Amino acid sequence: KQEVTQIPAALSVPEGENLVLNCSFTDSAIYNLQWFRQDPGKGLTSLLLIQSSQREQTSGRLNASLDKSSGRSTLYIAASQPGDSATYLCAVRKGNNRLAFGKGNQVVVIP
Amino acid sequence: DAGVTQSPTHLIKTRGQQVTLRCSPKSGHDTVSWYQQALGQGPQFIFQYYEEEERQRGNFPDRFSGHQFPNYSSELNVNALLLGDSALYLCASSLDFQGNYGYTFGSGTRLTVV
Repeated sequence: KQEVTQIPAALSVPEGENLVLNCSFTDSAIYNLQWFRQDPGKGLTSLLLIQSSQREQTSGRLNASLDKSSGRSTLYIAASQPGDSATYLCAVRKGNNRLAFGKGNQVVVIP
Repeated sequence: DAGVTQSPTHLIKTRGQQVTLRCSPKSGHDTVSWYQQALGQGPQFIFQYYEEEERQRGNFPDRFSGHQFPNYSSELNVNALLLGDSALYLCASSLDFQGNYGYTFGSGTRLTVV
């Protein structure tokens, strides 16, 4: 069974600092990994999708890396803003065509 | 371009009742999956529909059932509601059955069972 762990569970940073969110998974035989953002009580917004053959993906201030062999992905958010406050979820897809999620990194950016 | 739409947004039901949640996938997507998210947890896979058939199922009892219509929209039905069924129910659609291009999620339906 694929297990996904996200560390830290919660963090607070002052505005302007860079955010580093970690995701680890137990089974490296994944097809892709997707990072999502979730605001309180809301649905999931897709941020980045990394295929298993890729090392990283970038979109604006967001950069996600993938090290499949060690079972790790890291989401970097540059120059954090109060609007970045949310929960960030990591999800991996295996051959069974379903997503396995971590519990999320809850982020608060302090103005 | 509308994304994934879910209805209703909120719902309150009494224990033992039945509920139906609805989902319209993103335009161009033909595969729909349902997830349950309890408070403070990551979403858990319920089942996936493709070509109007249930293709995969997670570890959920038979009280959870679904349907996919010819226009790719989907319904999630839960019978004999329990207090523990209270959660955010998320619908996701994908461009292909395998999910090679990622998943698009809706805003969810918040179900409260009292």
